[in-house]
Formats: sequence, structure tokens, C-alpha cells
Amino acid sequence: SQQGEEDPQALSIQEGENATMNCSYKTSINNLQWYRQNSGRGLVHLILIRSNEREKHSGRLRVTLDTSKKSSSLLITASRAADTASYFCATEGWGKLQFGAGTQVVVTP
Amino acid sequence: GAGVSQSPSNKVTEKGKDVELRCDPISGHTALYWYRQRLGQGLEFLIYFQGNSAPDKSGLPSDRFSAERTGESVSTLTIQRTQQEDSAVYLCASSPYFGNEQFFGPGTRLTVL
Repeated sequence: SQQGEEDPQALSIQEGENATMNCSYKTSINNLQWYRQNSGRGLVHLILIRSNEREKHSGRLRVTLDTSKKSSSLLITASRAADTASYFCATEGWGKLQFGAGTQVVVTP
Repeated sequence: GAGVSQSPSNKVTEKGKDVELRCDPISGHTALYWYRQRLGQGLEFLIYFQGNSAPDKSGLPSDRFSAERTGESVSTLTIQRTQQEDSAVYLCASSPYFGNEQFFGPGTRLTVL
């Protein structure tokens, strides 16, 4: 069964715009991770946020975590065509990652 | 350095045959994970190995699925008597230690006819 649920399922934006996607989960976690998957590079780890953290930045990425609401968001600022991919949140508990179904992001030039 | 590698990259087999998938983790990574991804879906956890501890097999969908790992190196995932619903991409990942970010291999695309 899937732990994380991403929203929206699909997102289409133009280059330069920001993209925001959300993830909700059900059980307690040690950390929450975001991954990107595209056909060219497989599944790539983007960022990890621990359960005692509320916000984290990495380059153009900003992740928030609200453990009281069991939700997380991923913001990609100033999007580029190369950001076109599927984005997955994954919750970590007892070593296992449980993935959501992903958000498909298309960035058009 | 070398990333996680998997072989074969593609496997087509007939229903009822056994298949063996291989994963070479990043050297020094103590944790190794197997996932399955069906078309258009997220990853489904299958099994993980952490050092010399007993593996967590809680995600294996049936007793037709099994996996082994030799020390902290190569792992093989075996599917016996394959069924059409086993068709998916099987992904392997490794991690320096338990609970950290995971580094994924390119996957093995399995097609059961």
C-alpha cells in the first residue's frame, strides 16, 4: 500500500514559473524524501527532511514538513524545461521508503 | 564513483518461468533495497537488507518472490513461476546506512508474456 499521496497528479507550467506539489501521509515517520524520475536519468534523490525539521532548501528547491498535518510540500522556483519529470515523495520509517504515485510535471519553454 | 548497477536491463520471459535479477550496490553501502514499479505508479517496497541483520521481507507479494544478499555486496531477486502481473520495472537502491537517502539503479524492466 502507498503511504504518500501527491497532489496534483499532473502539473503543466511555463519556464520561469514556480511549481508546487504536495504530499500527505498517514503514519509517523523518521524523515520524508523527495525524488525525481525521468526517462533519461532514472530515480534521483532530491532532498531529505527529518521529522524534527520544518523547512529545508537546496538550490531552487524548497521543502516544508508539517508533522501535525502529516503533509509536505515541494516548491521548485524558476522552473526550467529540464525540470520536466515525475516527482515522488517517500516517507521513511524503520528503513523502508514508501512512495506515493507521483506528480507529473511538464515545463514548457 | 560507480553507482548502483542492475542486470539485465530488460528481461522478457514466458509465464511460468523463473527469473533472476541482479543488483550491485555502491561499494561500502550497508543497506540494500528492492522495489517494484508498475507502469504509471509509484514504487512498491519489496525487501531490504541491512548489514548482517535478518532482511525485512514484509513487502514481498507472494512466496514466489525471494531475495538474497552476499555480505554487503551483490543481491539477487528471484521470481519463481512468473505471472503476467509480475511485469514491472524492478529497482534496486543502496544507502550508506539505515534510513538515509537511497541511491537507485537504472532498473530491470521485466515483461512476462
